[in-house]
Order: sequence, then structure tokens, then C-alpha cells
Amino acid sequence: SQQGEEDPQALSIQEGENATMNCSYKTSINNLQWYRQNSGRGLVHLILIRSNEREKHSGRLRVTLDTSKKSSSLLITASRAADTASYFCATDPRGNAGNMLTFGGGTRLMVKP
Amino acid sequence: KAGVTQTPRYLIKTRGQQVTLSCSPISGHRSVSWYQQTPGQGLQFLFEYFSETQRNKGNFPGRFSGRQFSNSRSEMNVSTLELGDSALYLCASNDSGNEQFFGPGTRLTVL
Repeated sequence: SQQGEEDPQALSIQEGENATMNCSYKTSINNLQWYRQNSGRGLVHLILIRSNEREKHSGRLRVTLDTSKKSSSLLITASRAADTASYFCATDPRGNAGNMLTFGGGTRLMVKP
Repeated sequence: KAGVTQTPRYLIKTRGQQVTLSCSPISGHRSVSWYQQTPGQGLQFLFEYFSETQRNKGNFPGRFSGRQFSNSRSEMNVSTLELGDSALYLCASNDSGNEQFFGPGTRLTVL
């Protein structure tokens, strides 16, 4: 079963606008990661935020984490048509040795040129 | 370095058959994880292998199994296929950091 939910499930915006996706999870975590998937292909890692961090930036990406609310958000600024993809949050549960990500349901983002 | 490779990319099987999928991790990566992706259940963790040992296991029936070889290549096997096993199977490798590197996936269709 999935760790949590992503909101919205689908998002359609114009090129140049910002896109915000939200993720909620259920258990304590070591870190939370965001991945992108283009059209049923493999996932590409975007950014990781640790449980003791509140905000992180990478290029046009900004991620926030609120562990008290068990939620995270991903902001993509100045979106481009090439950003059209599905975006997933994934949590690495606290206390787990190794790699065992639990994914959210994903947000399908469409950026119109 | 070459990325994670998965073979075959597409597979069609019938109910009751078994299937073996292969994953070659990025050179030097010792951890290989497998995930199943379906429209209904989303992305679900199957299992993880590290140094030829299963380190983590998801909540899947015993029909799903895997192994890892000394060169870190991994295979997963599904026996007695069911229609619901139709999915994209993704493998990911990791080099002790937290980022996972995913392969392109194997699309399995069970008829």
C-alpha cells in the first residue's frame, strides 16, 4: 500500500507559470524524495530532503518538509513544456536499514506551451 | 557510467506461466530494489537485495521472488502468473547514498 497521498492528482498550467504539488505521508521518515516519471518510463530522482531540514532548493525546484504535519510540497518555478510528467514523492522510513521507498500516488503535470 | 538496464523491455505471458526479469545495476552499486507499478495500486516496493542477500521485502505473495548475483545483477521471478500481475516492473540501484537510480522498466502483460 502507498505511504500517503499526493495532491492534486492532475495539474494543467501554462508555460512560465509555477506548479505546486503536495504530498502527505503517514510514518516517521529519514528523508523524503521527489521523482519524475515521463510517460510510463523509469523514474528520475529530483531532490531529497532530510527529516531535519525544512526547505531545499535545486535549480527551479523548491521542496519544503513539515514533519509535524507529515507533509511536503514541491514547487516548480517558471515551468516549461518539458516539465510535463508525473511527479512522485517517496519516503524512506525511519529505522529502516537499506533502501525501501514508499511512494505516493503521484501528480500528473501538464505544461501547455 | 552506463545506467541501470532491464531486460526484456516488454513481455507477454499467459496466466499460469512464470516469468524472469533481469536488472543490471550501475557499475559499483551493490543494492538493487524492485518495484511494481500498476494504475490501481501505484508504485509498490517488492524487495531489495544487497550483497546477494535480501535486505528488505514488501508485502507481496511468495509467487514473487528474487535473487542477486555476485556481480550485483539481479533477477526477479513471478510464478503462476495472474492477470493482476500485469504491470511495469522497475528496478533501481543505489551506491549507499539515498538517491535511487531507476531503469526503464519491463512492461509485463499477462493474458
